[in-house]
Amino acid sequence: SQKIEQNSEALNIQEGKTATLTCNYTNYSPAYLQWYRQDPGRGPVFLLLIRENEKEKRKERLKVTFDTTLKQSLFHITASQPADSATYLCALGTNTNAGKSTFGDGTTLTVKP
Amino acid sequence: KAGVTQTPRYLIKTRGQQVTLSCSPISGHRSVSWYQQTPGQGLQFLFEYFSETQRNKGNFPGRFSGRQFSNSRSEMNVSTLELGDSALYLCASSLDSGRADTQYFGPGTRLTVL
Repeated sequence: SQKIEQNSEALNIQEGKTATLTCNYTNYSPAYLQWYRQDPGRGPVFLLLIRENEKEKRKERLKVTFDTTLKQSLFHITASQPADSATYLCALGTNTNAGKSTFGDGTTLTVKP
Repeated sequence: KAGVTQTPRYLIKTRGQQVTLSCSPISGHRSVSWYQQTPGQGLQFLFEYFSETQRNKGNFPGRFSGRQFSNSRSEMNVSTLELGDSALYLCASSLDSGRADTQYFGPGTRLTVL
């Protein structure tokens, strides 16, 4: 069955460092992958989308890579700040089922000042 | 543009009751999806509606149902509530351009079943 795994449930880093979150998947051939941020009690907020034919995407301090051979995506936050503390979710989708995303369980990032 | 709105934000029900949740998508978005989020199971896909038709369905019992109206607004209904239905119910809308559609989520409805 399809499975998405995000590295450690929790990640703690020092302010100013780069946070790297991992999303691995099996038994899935996604057309695209998305990263979301979720704060407690709130809905996920879209951050970045990367398509299967793209290797890397950047947006301000965020960078996402997508390796369909390794079946893995890496999500980087450079120069991290305490305000970046949240749960980050990866979600996979296919073009034929664009309205149905399969989510990982998330990684809770804590950035300490 | 206004974001996705969901009503009510909080709801408390007792076992056996039924509940209806509402979602208004971003203007122009035609696809509406519903998800259930619990600490143990994470975000689980319930169903997706497009042009008033259910297009995708997750692995939930028939007690969970939904519909979409001609203005793309959607409702989901849960009948005969069980304690395990306590969760954050999230609605997401997308433009449905046919490929690589970003889903935009609402704030969710927190349902507590006593």
